[in-house]
Amino acid sequence: RKEVEQDPGPFNVPEGATVAFNCTYSNSASQSFFWYRQDCRKEPKLLMSVYSSGNEDGRFTAQLNRASQYISLLIRDSKLSDSATYLCVVNYGGSQGNLIFGKGTKLSVKP
Amino acid sequence: SAVISQKPSRDICQRGTSLTIQCQVDSQVTMMFWYRQQPGQSLTLIATANQGSEATYESGFVIDKFPISRPNLTFSTLTVSNMSPEDSSIYLCSVAGTAGSPLHFGNGTRLTVT
Repeated sequence: RKEVEQDPGPFNVPEGATVAFNCTYSNSASQSFFWYRQDCRKEPKLLMSVYSSGNEDGRFTAQLNRASQYISLLIRDSKLSDSATYLCVVNYGGSQGNLIFGKGTKLSVKP
Repeated sequence: SAVISQKPSRDICQRGTSLTIQCQVDSQVTMMFWYRQQPGQSLTLIATANQGSEATYESGFVIDKFPISRPNLTFSTLTVSNMSPEDSSIYLCSVAGTAGSPLHFGNGTRLTVT
């Protein structure tokens, strides 16, 4: 069974904090990985793809550990505007029909 | 990325009726998909909308309940038929580039069935 598991949270952190989310996936044949951000009552939006070598985009760092089958997202210097639900997404290969979405981790950044 | 327009953005419908959701993309795309996101749940793929042929449905979804049209490479519709309160959900249209590339979503349709 193909599953993507995330800690639902919520993670309540003060502004400026560093916060990390993990996501585990069950199928070792997974080929590509993404983090999406979903604001309340909005559609998911791509935050970043996750590459084998790890990648960084400003305050956001994504890492992939294939051996342990987990993906992480690190947010540094949290802003109030980072408050959202973060979805881990795994593509098991081939068509987009093989995309599996996690239920998301809710982040709330407080002043 | 493509601009995806979905309408209606929300609707409240009576049980037993049907609602058709439209998805318009500002460029030609090969693959279009319909997802459902029930309250507190992850996104679930309903079907892949194929241009010029029948949609490909995922396990648990059938054409009679969720008929889909894809008349061209920029447009698709999803109908939620004979609705019940269990169909209350957000329905999302999405498009992608080549296989493995990330999805982009329309703004979603928030459906409430009473």
